[in-house]
Amino acid sequence: AQSVTQLDSHVSVSEGTPVLLRCNYSSSYSPSLFWYVQHPNKGLQLLLKYTSAATLVKGINGFEAEFKKSETSFHLTKPSAHMSDAAEYFCVVINTGTASKLTFGTGTRLQVTL
Amino acid sequence: GAVVSQHPSWVICKSGTSVKIECRSLDFQATTMFWYRQFPKQSLMLMATSNEGSKATYEQGVEKDKFLINHASLTLSTLTVTSAHPEDSSFYICSVDREVETQYFGPGTRLLVL
Repeated sequence: AQSVTQLDSHVSVSEGTPVLLRCNYSSSYSPSLFWYVQHPNKGLQLLLKYTSAATLVKGINGFEAEFKKSETSFHLTKPSAHMSDAAEYFCVVINTGTASKLTFGTGTRLQVTL
Repeated sequence: GAVVSQHPSWVICKSGTSVKIECRSLDFQATTMFWYRQFPKQSLMLMATSNEGSKATYEQGVEKDKFLINHASLTLSTLTVTSAHPEDSSFYICSVDREVETQYFGPGTRLLVL
């Protein structure tokens, strides 16, 4: 079985400062990993995905994530936070052997202050 | 990415009534759609996989007679919550498996059962 652990349930940053949302995964095989963002009362939007190509993945809205196999991590970063980035972020892994079934992390709520 | 719509966006109903939620893939013919449930401040939980032209596959613990899924066409899947009760109140989100190992999500439907 595969799993993801989001290490912080809540992160608060000031506008213009860097964002780091942490995610660790557990997998017996090479995983496919995703970050999704959810704004209040909205569905999920795909930010970026890693599928065994380049380990540094660039996504939308200036976000990027680096797949580090040695650390089993897939942390999400952004150089400069914007107020519109305030949302819930989910790290997600595909379950091996169960095509397209996603396993979600518990989510990290990002708060951006002035 | 794929455009996925849901209708209604929110619904309030009386206990004991049935509620139908539609999920449409607007620009992609989807043989597979997924239904998730999300409780407040929690992550998404997969309820079932909807397969066009065949029976849905339900996750363990999900009552198939209570949550009826119909995937009659390549662009439409419906979830019917039968004899709804207050504990069924939740945010229901569907997704379309468009690209390999990548799901695109609808905006969600908030159900409140009184």
